[in-house]
Amino acid sequence: DQQVKQNSPSLSVQEGRISILNCDYTNSMFDYFLWYKKYPAEGPTFLISISSIKDKNEDGRFTVFLNKSAKHLSLHIVPSQPGDSAVYFCAARSLYNFNKFYFGSGTKLNVKP
Amino acid sequence: KAGVTQTPRYLIKTRGQQVTLSCSPISGHRSVSWYQQTPGQGLQFLFEYFSETQRNKGNFPGRFSGRQFSNSRSEMNVSTLELGDSALYLCASSSHSGGANTGELFFGEGSRLTVL
Repeated sequence: DQQVKQNSPSLSVQEGRISILNCDYTNSMFDYFLWYKKYPAEGPTFLISISSIKDKNEDGRFTVFLNKSAKHLSLHIVPSQPGDSAVYFCAARSLYNFNKFYFGSGTKLNVKP
Repeated sequence: KAGVTQTPRYLIKTRGQQVTLSCSPISGHRSVSWYQQTPGQGLQFLFEYFSETQRNKGNFPGRFSGRQFSNSRSEMNVSTLELGDSALYLCASSSHSGGANTGELFFGEGSRLTVL
């Protein structure tokens, strides 16, 4: 049962433009969401998180938006850089499930110079 | 501060064998989780340990087991290996002990298991 879905397996954008990665979830009990970036042969690295009490969180070039009514979150990267080329995973957790995170299948971002 | 360390990085086994993977969390982190990553499936939660107790378990068969030691180091074991167990096994540690909406996972580089 895939409770977190990333429906776009890949995304290609031009350097300097905006990258928008999307994520949908089904479990209304999820209240904490994270984005991770993964390069080949490395473990995922944490990018940014958002709590369900917020609808936006910003960290430098990265902004995450949460739409609870639509059960949808998105990651915006502005401006995109070639070094951002990686696989991006969204993840979600419910408050009482401690560190049991549900991950999406990932979106491979390619930023073209 | 040293990161999450997983050993071995790569291993090849044959069907029916068993394997043990090891994970050393970031110093001070008491929570250790294990995930399986296969192509197109994202990361699937296996189990989480906190202070030597399994707090959560994913939907994997009983062939998959784990434990945590008093120094927070963790091992996972897969018995009677099947071809479908070929995957990247990722360990993650966290300082989050539960409750508030904080606490990301810090991942190791993974152990890539190939079952022939």
